[in-house]
Amino acid sequence: DGGITQSPKYLFRKEGQNVTLSCEQNLNHDAMYWYRQDPGQGLRLIYYSQIVNDFQKGDIAEGYSVSREKKESFPLTVTSAQKNPTAFYLCASTRGIGNHETQYFGPGTRLLVL
Amino acid sequence: SQQGEEDPQALSIQEGENATMNCSYKTSINNLQWYRQNSGRGLVHLILIRSNEREKHSGRLRVTLDTSKKSSSLLITASRAADTASYFCATDAEGNNRLAFGKGNQVVVIP
Repeated sequence: DGGITQSPKYLFRKEGQNVTLSCEQNLNHDAMYWYRQDPGQGLRLIYYSQIVNDFQKGDIAEGYSVSREKKESFPLTVTSAQKNPTAFYLCASTRGIGNHETQYFGPGTRLLVL
Repeated sequence: SQQGEEDPQALSIQEGENATMNCSYKTSINNLQWYRQNSGRGLVHLILIRSNEREKHSGRLRVTLDTSKKSSSLLITASRAADTASYFCATDAEGNNRLAFGKGNQVVVIP
């Protein structure tokens, strides 16, 4: 999983609660990404950031928010507006900007709803 | 949107056999990547093939790309139990410095 870490490994959310998933990288990578993985649906892009203090929505941004205050950190908040948050969340980073870049993934966080 | 579509979805083979999986996509691409995911883990990059390449090798992996058919195949030769994983293709067809991942092929190698 390289130099990219995610925490916690498992996270439980109560109804109406916001929860934040951590993603940190020590690879000095410029770009970072958040994906959601559901069984049989592959990876879907939630948000991505190419530079500090800037980020773009992916395909399923509704109910999620992100920040990129530091180059090495890209936390994802799952808000109460996300009605079906149970999934496996993967964070990734790339050295540069460009879709030819190799994506390096963290180990993932599994979010479960109580 | 998902550009890559792997086929077949699940494959079970004996150790030592070859495993082949396919990926198709809908629009023009500059490159295509293959990733492996062990159960409950993050994805690991395997290989990238550019649109002007037809075949690429990396160890026991062989990737082909047919841009006229908009398809790619990943061949794992002499499979091992450790090759048991899900394999995803990803294309750059989305543009905007992002990748579109397929739904994945699950491969089980029986010792």
